Amino acid sequence: ETGVTQSPTHLIKTRGQQVTLRCSSQSGHNTVSWYQQALGQGPQFIFQYYREEENGRGNFPPRFSGLQFPNYSSELNVNALELDDSALYLCASSGPGQGYYGYTFGSGTRLTVV
Amino acid sequence: EDKVVQSPLSLVVHEGDTVTLNCSYEVTNFRSLLWYKQEKKAPTFLFMLTSSGIEKKSGRLSSILDKKELFSILNITATQTGDSAVYLCADLINTDKLIFGTGTRLQVFP
Repeated sequence: ETGVTQSPTHLIKTRGQQVTLRCSSQSGHNTVSWYQQALGQGPQFIFQYYREEENGRGNFPPRFSGLQFPNYSSELNVNALELDDSALYLCASSGPGQGYYGYTFGSGTRLTVV
Repeated sequence: EDKVVQSPLSLVVHEGDTVTLNCSYEVTNFRSLLWYKQEKKAPTFLFMLTSSGIEKKSGRLSSILDKKELFSILNITATQTGDSAVYLCADLINTDKLIFGTGTRLQVFP
């Protein structure tokens, strides 16, 4: 148990569908980042949210979008799913002033697109 | 393009062996280098290195950064089966994102 909870743990979707992945951070963790980890690869940065505003984005198309809520939870939405979106999706959060020393990763959501 | 390269990709050793994992990088706006251990899903933090030449230790694990040659190593002495995992190296850059390498898969057999 890392203190950062992601749901669901596994998900199977069909190409073209939409999916919402959820992350629940520890109280006070006002920064959350999302990463995509394809099989056999390192995680790739999707975007970061700070105090409910997007605070940086990686090389992902606009069909990847996110939200952060005042209750320290966040969502990753992916529209028009493609087969290559199959991956482990990780969220990581930290509190004020903790920086990356304090980043805690969740256990991830394994998304399979068929 | 920012990149982080880890080697070897895979390593198989016996308990008690010492291993050295390598991480080289080419990134703009480098701030720090981090090492993570990933056993099943959630990467767990090991070290954060910001200054060259200062070794960080935690039990049997140690790591050092060379900012001139743009690389870092992670050493694990007296390996145990519980050390079996994927070890990820990542650079923290100014935009507050981590750029990860592909990882080194370490398997320790009894």
